Amino acid sequence: GIQVEQSPPDLILQEGANSTLRCNFSDSVNNLQWFHQNPWGQLINLFYIPSGTKQNGRLSATTVATERYSLLYISSSQTTDSGVYFCADGSGNTGKLIFGQGTTLQVKP
Amino acid sequence: SAVISQKPSRDICQRGTSLTIQCQVDSQVTMMFWYRQQPGQSLTLIATANQGSEATYESGFVIDKFPISRPNLTFSTLTVSNMSPEDSSIYLCSGEVNTEAFFGQGTRLTVV
Repeated sequence: GIQVEQSPPDLILQEGANSTLRCNFSDSVNNLQWFHQNPWGQLINLFYIPSGTKQNGRLSATTVATERYSLLYISSSQTTDSGVYFCADGSGNTGKLIFGQGTTLQVKP
Repeated sequence: SAVISQKPSRDICQRGTSLTIQCQVDSQVTMMFWYRQQPGQSLTLIATANQGSEATYESGFVIDKFPISRPNLTFSTLTVSNMSPEDSSIYLCSGEVNTEAFFGQGTRLTVV
C-alpha cells in the first residue's frame, strides 16, 4: 500500500521564522490533506490539496502530484503554531487515510 | 465540511473494563472511520464503520476487542473491550465529506 514519509521529524523555530514541511508519497496522490494536532489531541484540518497551491493566512500548501510530494509553508511562525503536523493521503477510493509520522514543531518566543 | 462531536474527551479506566466512545456528525456521511494514536505515534486505522452492516477491520484489529456500531448515517460508537494498559491511546473518529476527512476531538484514554 501507499507509504507516506514526512520530514523533518522535529523542528524548533524562533517566533517570526518561516519553515517548510515536506511530505513524500510512494504512490499516486489521491486525497492529500494536511492537519495540525493541538496539545489536546484534536486534529485540525489545514488543507485539502490533492494538487496545486492553496493559501490560508500565514499557511500555504503546494502539491506536485506528478512528483508525489507536498509542501506546507508556515510564515512568521507564532507560538500557537506549535504541535504536530500530519499529512495523509487516501488509499484508493476507500476513504481510508494513510498518515505520515508527523513533524513536531516547537516555536519558541 | 462537517462537525463531529466525540465523547468522552478523556477517561481513566481500570484494566479489564470496557469503554464506549461516541461520535455524532452534524450531517449525513456515507463513510466513518475509527483511528488509534498510541503515545508519540501517528494515527493507525482501526476499522471502517459501515451503516447497516458489520464494520471492516484492518489487520491487527478484531471485532471482539473493538466492537463498532453504525446505526445511521450520523452516528457511530467504538467500544474498547477488556482494556489493558497497552490500550492507553487517543482514539479518533472521522467522517468523509466530498473526499475530505473531518475528525472528532479525540478521546484520550488511560488504562490503569
